[in-house]
Amino acid sequence: DQQVKQNSPSLSVQEGRISILNCDYTNSMFDYFLWYKKYPAEGPTFLISISSIKDKNEDGRFTVFLNKSAKHLSLHIVPSQPGDSAVYFCAATAGTYKYIFGTGTRLKVLA
Amino acid sequence: GAVVSQHPSWVICKSGTSVKIECRSLDFQATTMFWYRQFPKQSLMLMATSNEGSKATYEQGVEKDKFLINHASLTLSTLTVTSAHPEDSSFYICSAFKGSGANVLTFGAGSRLTVL
Repeated sequence: DQQVKQNSPSLSVQEGRISILNCDYTNSMFDYFLWYKKYPAEGPTFLISISSIKDKNEDGRFTVFLNKSAKHLSLHIVPSQPGDSAVYFCAATAGTYKYIFGTGTRLKVLA
Repeated sequence: GAVVSQHPSWVICKSGTSVKIECRSLDFQATTMFWYRQFPKQSLMLMATSNEGSKATYEQGVEKDKFLINHASLTLSTLTVTSAHPEDSSFYICSAFKGSGANVLTFGAGSRLTVL
């Protein structure tokens, strides 16, 4: 049972445009959500997080939106840069440090 | 700060042999580390939680006799894949709990295991 889902396995975006990566979850107990970026043969690196008491968190070019009623979160990257090309994982947790990861979305930013 | 080193990054072994993967927190102490496994095009699946000085806690479906975890010090956890078989071939990643901030886990770079 996949509690965290990323239904788009890949996404291509033109440099300078907005990238929107989506994530859905099923467990209403999740109260903290994170986005990680991963390059091939490397571990995930933390990008941005959001607590369930918020609906938006912004850090530079990265913004995460949380819609609790829809059990949906999204990561917006604007403007997208070629260096953003990587696999992006969303993760969720319910008050512990056991993070449940989605299957990832491969983002390709075209120059 | 908060660097986690994982070794080896690549390992190829014969079926039936055992392989040890190390996860070290280089500049902080980690009482808790986590081991994950990732199959191609799939998510990171938590295998077990490694606690310094005590037995690891395994997730449902993970064979603890197959995947031995030892967390003998505050900076080192090891995962030993015993009697490896081709189906154990995967990407294994560890993370260490660093205790504060928006993101409390720091991940290692992962270890690619190929069992022939």
